[in-house]
Amino acid sequence: AQSVTQLDSQVPVFEEAPVELRCNYSSSVSVYLFWYVQYPNQGLQLLLKYLSGSTLVESINGFEAEFNKSQTSFHLRKPSVHISDTAEYFCAVSGGTSYGKLTFGQGTILTVHP
Amino acid sequence: EAGVVQSPRYKIIEKKQPVAFWCNPISGHNTLYWYLQNLGQGPELLIRYENEEAVDDSQLPKDRFSAERLKGVDSTLKIQPAELGDSAVYLCASSHRQGSLNEQFFGPGTRLTVL
Repeated sequence: AQSVTQLDSQVPVFEEAPVELRCNYSSSVSVYLFWYVQYPNQGLQLLLKYLSGSTLVESINGFEAEFNKSQTSFHLRKPSVHISDTAEYFCAVSGGTSYGKLTFGQGTILTVHP
Repeated sequence: EAGVVQSPRYKIIEKKQPVAFWCNPISGHNTLYWYLQNLGQGPELLIRYENEEAVDDSQLPKDRFSAERLKGVDSTLKIQPAELGDSAVYLCASSHRQGSLNEQFFGPGTRLTVL
C-alpha cells in the first residue's frame, strides 16, 4: 500500500520569506506525485505534478517541487511567498497498485503573515 | 468551462437521519470520484466510477453508504442512517479518463454536521 507523510501540519512564515513544505511517500513501485492547494471554502486545485522526466517541476505561480527517488521525497518550495499563498497544501501519490486513485497526506496549513 | 458542482454546500442533520449529496462533474469527464475528508486530514477515496460502473468501492462502508451514477453523468452519495462520526467534508472529483496521469478536478465539497 502507498502512503504519504507531510511532516509539518502548520507552517507560519512572513511575507517575502522562502518556504518549504515537506512530503515523503512510501511505495514499492513507480509513482506519480502531486501537490494540491485548497483555499478557504474552495475545492482542491492541482498546483503541480511529477509524472516522469525532469525531477524538478514548477507551477505558474512560482512554486516548485523536486522528486527525490532515493529519499522518497517531493518537497514543495517557493523562494518568496505572498499573503495570497495562505492556504492548505496537500501532497498526493498515485500509480502502481493505486492506479487511478490519489492517496493524500494529512495537509500542511501555510499561513503567510504581513 | 464550468467546474465540478456539488450541492448542498452545507448540511446539518441529527443522527439516524438520512442524507444525500449530489455531484455534477465537468462535461465530458467520464471518471467520477467521491472522497471523504475528515477535519485535519487529507481526502480519502470512497468510490470511483468509470461512466456508470463503480470500479473501486472497496473503501465505501456499504452498511450505511450507497452511491449511484445511473446515466454516467451526475452522481448521488447517500448515508442512511447518519452517525456522529460521519461529520466531515464530502468531496467529488472528476477526470477525463481513468488513470494515474489524468488530473482530477475537485468540487468545493459538502460539509456535513451530524448532531
